[in-house]
Order: sequence, then structure tokens, then C-alpha cells
Amino acid sequence: AQSVSQHNHHVILSEAASLELGCNYSYGGTVNLFWYVQYPGQHLQLLLKYFSGDPLVKGIKGFEAEFIKSKFSFNLRKPSVQWSDTAEYFCAVNKGYSTLTFGKGTMLLVSP
Amino acid sequence: IAGITQAPTSQILAAGRRMTLRCTQDMRHNAMYWYRQDLGLGLRLIHYSNTAGTTGKGEVPDGYSVSRANTDDFPLTLASAVPSQTSVYFCASSATSGYYNEQFFGPGTRLTVL
Repeated sequence: AQSVSQHNHHVILSEAASLELGCNYSYGGTVNLFWYVQYPGQHLQLLLKYFSGDPLVKGIKGFEAEFIKSKFSFNLRKPSVQWSDTAEYFCAVNKGYSTLTFGKGTMLLVSP
Repeated sequence: IAGITQAPTSQILAAGRRMTLRCTQDMRHNAMYWYRQDLGLGLRLIHYSNTAGTTGKGEVPDGYSVSRANTDDFPLTLASAVPSQTSVYFCASSATSGYYNEQFFGPGTRLTVL
């Protein structure tokens, strides 16, 4: 079965620390990759997406992600987090015309 | 403002009762989706619709039904609610069900079944 794995369920960082959230998927072949963010009490919003081309994707709010096909990974990064980045982050993948499969999410807490 | 609206925002429901969660989008998107979000389980797809008049089952369809009579509306019905259906329900839509289906999400409905 197709699956998406997020390595950390909870991450706690201090402001200005660097962030990397792991995401691995089990699909073969060509995939579409997404990172969504859910701020406390809000709905999911798209952070960034990868369909094709440059494997280093830049999104909103200083986030970026790198697609490494050989590792089936799409890790999310940010050089310096802020308190306002406290949120839950979801990796999602789909292949072709299939529906999205989400990871279980990583809760990020940034302490001021 | 264009987007997705869901109603109600929250609801407490007695077990065995019937409940319909409403979802409306004004983006003229072809595809719509219903997810439930549970702590530690992420988002799981309940049902989806690639276009008006068609629906399909997702990962956790049991106990839920949907209809897609037109492009804008995609209601989710719990015929006889059970406590395990306590969850936050998100409706989403995408322009197509095709290859580049970036999904947009509604604000959610928090449902508690007692």
C-alpha cells in the first residue's frame, strides 16, 4: 500500500534554530509532493509543492524542501525558525491521478 | 472571498443520530474531498468526487456517505453517528483530479458524538 512517513511526531526548537522535517514515501515512479501547514485552530494551507524540475523547491515564509528521488524523500527545511512557525506540518504525496496521501503530521513547537 | 465554507463549525451529537456536514466551494473546482483528522493519525480520506455526479471511496468510508449533485456542494452524511466518528472533518477541493491537484481546504467541522 502507498504510504507517507514523517519521522518525527513532535519537534521542539528555540527561535533562530534551523529546522528539518523528514518525509519519505513508498511510491515508485513519478510523484507529486506537497507540504501543508496547519496553524493552531486553523485549516491546512499549502506551504510548497513539487511537480517537476528543480528538486529544491522554495515555498512561503522562508520554507524550502528538497526532493531526493533516490531516497524517496521530500524533507522540509527552514534556516531560522520563528515563534510564529509553531504549527503542525503535513507531507502529502500523490501519483498520477490518484488522491493525496498524507503523512501523520509533525507538531512543531518553537519557544521564544 | 473565494474559498471553501463548511457548516456547522462544531456540533455535539448523540450517538445514533443522523448528521450532514455541509461543504460549499466557489472556485468552480471539479474535484472535492472529505477528510477526517484525528490526533496522531493525520488526515485520512473518507470520500472524494472527481466531478459533479461521481463519487468514490477513500481510506475510511464506512459509516459515511456523500453526494455531488452540482459542482459547488459536497455534503457528508453520517447516517447513524457513533462515538468513533468524533473527529475534525475537513472538506477540500482541487481544480482537477488530474496530475497537478493542489488541494485547498475549508476551515473544518469539529464533531463530537456522545
